[in-house]
Formats: sequence, C-alpha cells, structure tokens
Amino acid sequence: AQTVTQSQPEMSVQEAETVTLSCTYDTSESDYYLFWYKQPPSRQMILVIRQEAYKQQNATENRFSVNFQKAAKSFSLKISDSQLGDAAMYFCAYRQSWGSNYKLTFGKGTLLTVNP
Amino acid sequence: GAVVSQHPSRVICKSGTSVKIECRSLDFQATTMFWYRQFPKKSLMLMATSNEGSKATYEQGVEKDKFLINHASLTLSTLTVTSAHPEDSSFYICSARTGNYGYTFGSGTRLTVV
Repeated sequence: AQTVTQSQPEMSVQEAETVTLSCTYDTSESDYYLFWYKQPPSRQMILVIRQEAYKQQNATENRFSVNFQKAAKSFSLKISDSQLGDAAMYFCAYRQSWGSNYKLTFGKGTLLTVNP
Repeated sequence: GAVVSQHPSRVICKSGTSVKIECRSLDFQATTMFWYRQFPKKSLMLMATSNEGSKATYEQGVEKDKFLINHASLTLSTLTVTSAHPEDSSFYICSARTGNYGYTFGSGTRLTVV
C-alpha cells in the first residue's frame, strides 16, 4: 500500500520569508499524481498544487512551487514571500494514475504558522 | 468551478439517534464521492468511496452498518451515522472526483453526539 510521510508536524515562517514543507511517499507505481492541499482554520480543503509523475518539470503556481524528486520519492512544497493567509494545515497526497477508485492517500499534515 | 455543497455544517444529536449528512454537486455530475473523517489537528481518514448507482466500498475497520452511504443520483451522496454515540463525534468531509485528477471538497460537517 502507498504511504505518504510528512516529517514536520509544525513549521513556522516569518512573513515575506520562504519556507519548505517536506513530503516523501512510498509506491511501486511508475505513474501517479501528487498533490498539496491547504486546510485553513475554516477547514475547507483547497488545492495548492498538483504534479504528474511523468512530468519532469516541477509544478509552479504563483508563490508555490514543488521540488519533485521521483527517484528519491520526495515532493516538497516551497512557499515564497509567505503571507499571513498562508497559515494553515498543509497535506501532501498521493494518487495512483488509475484504479483503486482514484482515492487519495494523505500524509499526516504540517501545521504552518506565519509570524508577522 | 465545481462546487460541492455539504450540509449541515454543524449538528448536535443525542446518543442513540441517527443523523444524515448530505453532499450535493451543484454544477457537475459526481460519479464518485469520497467520505472522510477528520479528528482535530489530524489527517483525513478515508471512510468509504461511493460510485453512483452502486454500493459503497468501505475502508478496513469502518462499520458499514453504522455509516450508511447512499449515492443514488449523480448530484447527491449522503452519509447517515446510525445509532450515534459520543465516539462518533468528529468532522466529516465529502469529496467528489472532478475530471481525471481533480477533487472538490465539501466544507465539512462537525458532528457532536451528546
């Protein structure tokens, strides 16, 4: 079974600084999808960024970018120019490319605090 | 974009009663709906996956008779917690698969059993 590990239960960053959240996963599949979701205090899950495993280029969405290392099975999220609104729980998630009902496997999450 | 409306947002029920949580896809057809349970400051735990018109697939350890899932239409999936007890108090979230690799989450339901 696939597992997703987020080794940092909590992280903090100063406003306007950069922070990197780590995520590793275990799979025997060669094709899959990886996601970062944000859950603010409202508890609404929000997609931050998505990466297809077959794409070598790292995904980027404005201030958010990933460092995808397929061989190392690592998928870290970098948040640049951190803002107060970035404070949230961040979950890394994995999904097989097909089958398994397309369900997501989530990591345990990293609680990010942004200090003014 | 795709929206999943989840109701109620909060519910308090007495021990032994049943409570129903609804998730509606407002502007798309949700063939697959996922139901999660989340404890405070914890991750989302998948309870079951439902496909429209078929029986739900439950994850190991989830009681099928306690957590009844119905997905009778492409726009509505429901989770009924039967004979609720205080240990069932939790945050429940639904999520619909949208497209090949998209997921839209409901806003969640906080269930308190007293």
